[in-house]
Amino acid sequence: GAVVSQHPSRVICKSGTSVKIECRSLDFQATTMFWYRQFPKQSLMLMATSNEGSKATYEQGVEKDKFLINHASLTLSTLTVTSAHPEDSSFYICSARRAQGSTDTQYFGPGTRLTVL
Amino acid sequence: KQEVTQIPAALSVPEGENLVLNCSFTDSAIYNLQWFRQDPGKGLTSLLLIQSSQREQTSGRLNASLDKSSGRSTLYIAASQPGDSATYLCAVRGRRDDKIIFGKGTRLHILP
Repeated sequence: GAVVSQHPSRVICKSGTSVKIECRSLDFQATTMFWYRQFPKQSLMLMATSNEGSKATYEQGVEKDKFLINHASLTLSTLTVTSAHPEDSSFYICSARRAQGSTDTQYFGPGTRLTVL
Repeated sequence: KQEVTQIPAALSVPEGENLVLNCSFTDSAIYNLQWFRQDPGKGLTSLLLIQSSQREQTSGRLNASLDKSSGRSTLYIAASQPGDSATYLCAVRGRRDDKIIFGKGTRLHILP
């Protein structure tokens, strides 16, 4: 099956620093990628939709200036948490959409756990 | 706006029992519905994906059904094992906006 990777898998940073998380589709091209956030014992919440070559679309309540998304190629999307604070500590998961012939499926990455001290 | 609800929120059953997890959604205009498993501190493992035109999918001891018109899906787990202990998430991909909306999950604990 299709593989989506995320890097890093875990990151700890100090408050006020910026953190970049990468999401890669390893064996297919993804024109659309999605970023989710999961707080402890909560479900996944969609943050934004990332389209290759265009600006991301953010869900209501998600600050676009704080969560910068760049989808520079068909296999890579990045999420940068700017000036991170402890309340940004969460599990961030991306998914990549694979549309091939009659198949249109989203594949999820393994997630990145961010801890802001 | 699509809303996905999972019942129960938590469930503990003795090993060997058959069990059913429930998922309901408010907008029947869906592309597909997917069941995931998530272990503590880990990512998602896809279990079963049901396209909107399908009624059910089976994989081993798992069977998922979909009744799109009533906005319901069930995940049936046969002969439960302690290794089945995890959180099970139901996710619906909407046809109108192509977004995947997750339920809050059912935390399942199988007692040895």
